[in-house]
Amino acid sequence: EIVMTQSPATLSVSPGERATLSCRASQSVSSNLAWYQQKPGQAPRLLIYGASTRATGIPARFSGSGSGTEFTLTISSLQSEDFAVYYCQQYNNWPRLTFGGGTKVEIK
Amino acid sequence: EVQLVESGGGLVQPGGSLRLSCAASGFTVSSNYMSWVRQAPGKGLEWVSVIYSGGSTYYADSVKGRFTISRDNSKNTLYLQMNSLRAEDTAVYYCGYPIRGVIVYWGQGTLVTVSS
Repeated sequence: EIVMTQSPATLSVSPGERATLSCRASQSVSSNLAWYQQKPGQAPRLLIYGASTRATGIPARFSGSGSGTEFTLTISSLQSEDFAVYYCQQYNNWPRLTFGGGTKVEIK
Repeated sequence: EVQLVESGGGLVQPGGSLRLSCAASGFTVSSNYMSWVRQAPGKGLEWVSVIYSGGSTYYADSVKGRFTISRDNSKNTLYLQMNSLRAEDTAVYYCGYPIRGVIVYWGQGTLVTVSS
């Protein structure tokens, strides 16, 4: 099983600031990495796939980078609606998908 | 427009059974991969199962032998039959429509609580 590890567990950021979230895979997943956003009481929403491609309708302030085992999600200027939990997910080992433990982005 | 609507969750005793449904619209379930993902209270996401368009099925080790994924093509609906339920199966269960491994569409989720 490919283990996905996210850091930090919680990130405190002021509105308008940049947030940088990390995700590490226990073995290479190439660029088969997605990011999701989840708000309380809601289903996850796809943000990024292919490590760096924004999903339909996702604002340009969200960007993804990385390949192999190290990945980053950057939110360039945090808006109030961006405070949420973010998960990375590998699909290199399809169909056995695995998710990271999540990073909660909270208001500082 | 793609929509996924889960139902069937509830309270069940340990050792009991429950069947979840996921009614799909805007696409054909039988022509695509379909998946179940769960989330225990306050925890992260865990992949549970997938069914291929050809009918092949795969399960997480944690549910293998107890859960069965299936579909009804005439109703365009996905199912998850859950038997021998345990406390650790307590979670919100989401159905998902993955495209090339990425879950693009999610249902709203249905809560399963296993408790005596």
